[in-house]
Amino acid sequence: AQKVTQAQTEISVVEKEDVTLDCVYETRDTTYYLFWYKQPPSGELVFLIRRNSFDEQNEISGRYSWNFQKSTSSFNFTITASQVVDSAVYFCALSGQAGTALIFGKGTTLSVSS
Amino acid sequence: SAVISQKPSRDICQRGTSLTIQCQVDSQVTMMFWYRQQPGQSLTLIATANQGSEATYESGFVIDKFPISRPNLTFSTLTVSNMSPEDSSIYLCSVAGDSYNEQFFGPGTRLTVL
Repeated sequence: AQKVTQAQTEISVVEKEDVTLDCVYETRDTTYYLFWYKQPPSGELVFLIRRNSFDEQNEISGRYSWNFQKSTSSFNFTITASQVVDSAVYFCALSGQAGTALIFGKGTTLSVSS
Repeated sequence: SAVISQKPSRDICQRGTSLTIQCQVDSQVTMMFWYRQQPGQSLTLIATANQGSEATYESGFVIDKFPISRPNLTFSTLTVSNMSPEDSSIYLCSVAGDSYNEQFFGPGTRLTVL
């Protein structure tokens, strides 16, 4: 069975702090896809990143970076120099075969105060 | 990327009534998905809807309660039937992108059942 675990329910930081959101996944598939989404208070889901299981390169996009480690089945997300606008619920998700539905973790609520 | 619109964006309904949610995509897509997000919770897949075939429902969701139509490659509807307060949720439709390892989400329909 596939499963995504986001052990951190809530994280509170002060602006400019770095913060890492953890994501651990379980799957028996050889090929799979990992995603991160942001859900701000307005409710829409904002796509952040997609990674396939054959690409373990870490990725950096501005203040965002992702660390994918197959050895530990983790796909962690770091925000550098956090800002108040980063306050949202962040979801990690897993997809097996290409184009299939996503399995979501329970989400991590990030609160950034000024 | 795909642009997805949903109607209505929100609604308040009386128990025992039904609501049909529409999902429109700006391009033809094979696979569409319907998710439910209960208050403060993660996203749970309701069903997968492919054009030309019956929707496939996940455990805990039945066609009589959540009938789905998929008349063409750009449109789908989800009906929430005989509603109760427990159906109060955000309902989101999603599509798989051309490369099949992308997932795009609509803005969601926020449903409150009194």
